[in-house]
Amino acid sequence: DTGVSQDPRHKITKRGQNVTFRCDPISEHNRLYWYRQTLGQGPEFLTYFQNEAQLEKSRLLSDRFSAERPKGSFSTLEIQRTEQGDSAMYLCASSLEVGTLAFFGQGTRLTVV
Amino acid sequence: KQEVTQIPAALSVPEGENLVLNCSFTDSAIYNLQWFRQDPGKGLTSLLLIQSSQREQTSGRLNASLDKSSGRSTLYIAASQPGDSATYLCAAYHGSGNTGKLIFGQGTTLQVKP
Repeated sequence: DTGVSQDPRHKITKRGQNVTFRCDPISEHNRLYWYRQTLGQGPEFLTYFQNEAQLEKSRLLSDRFSAERPKGSFSTLEIQRTEQGDSAMYLCASSLEVGTLAFFGQGTRLTVV
Repeated sequence: KQEVTQIPAALSVPEGENLVLNCSFTDSAIYNLQWFRQDPGKGLTSLLLIQSSQREQTSGRLNASLDKSSGRSTLYIAASQPGDSATYLCAAYHGSGNTGKLIFGQGTTLQVKP
């Protein structure tokens, strides 16, 4: 197992377009998290899943954001009608169970022009 | 609401020096505290996890301590090396039962000069 994998690593999109990111967690990890990080800041929580159930969404997550984790395996994060303020690094993490060590992917850097 | 603060925001030290990074959190009802390292433009690498019942955890030249009552954690790096240059992030795992998530500080950017 090579760890948490995110795809794509970089995405440049025009304002108003939709984008989708994928995260493949470490196999058998039940927990999957999405975070967003802007330059010079720590990661901000967006949402997390316990298996296929989305248990919490941050108030930062507007209606333009949606995340899924079908069958409790990989997860996707979709941003509709992107805005320049969406430009950030989107990080995915997984952990075996509640409160165990979290392992992060390399992130997807989104630039909205 | 849990808030995590890291001081200083940036630190520059000569190679070989021992150093301490500070992390404070406002809500002591944490499940655990985790320290991460982040290289520029990269994801986060897990360093240490301290359970709420523990006082410290060690890995190689790194030692992390936790004082829940005062809402503080420190990361001690011994004999620093240029390869230690990175941003160090602490995160409090906050929640109960089946819920919970990591709340991050802003990070301390460390530069170790040869």
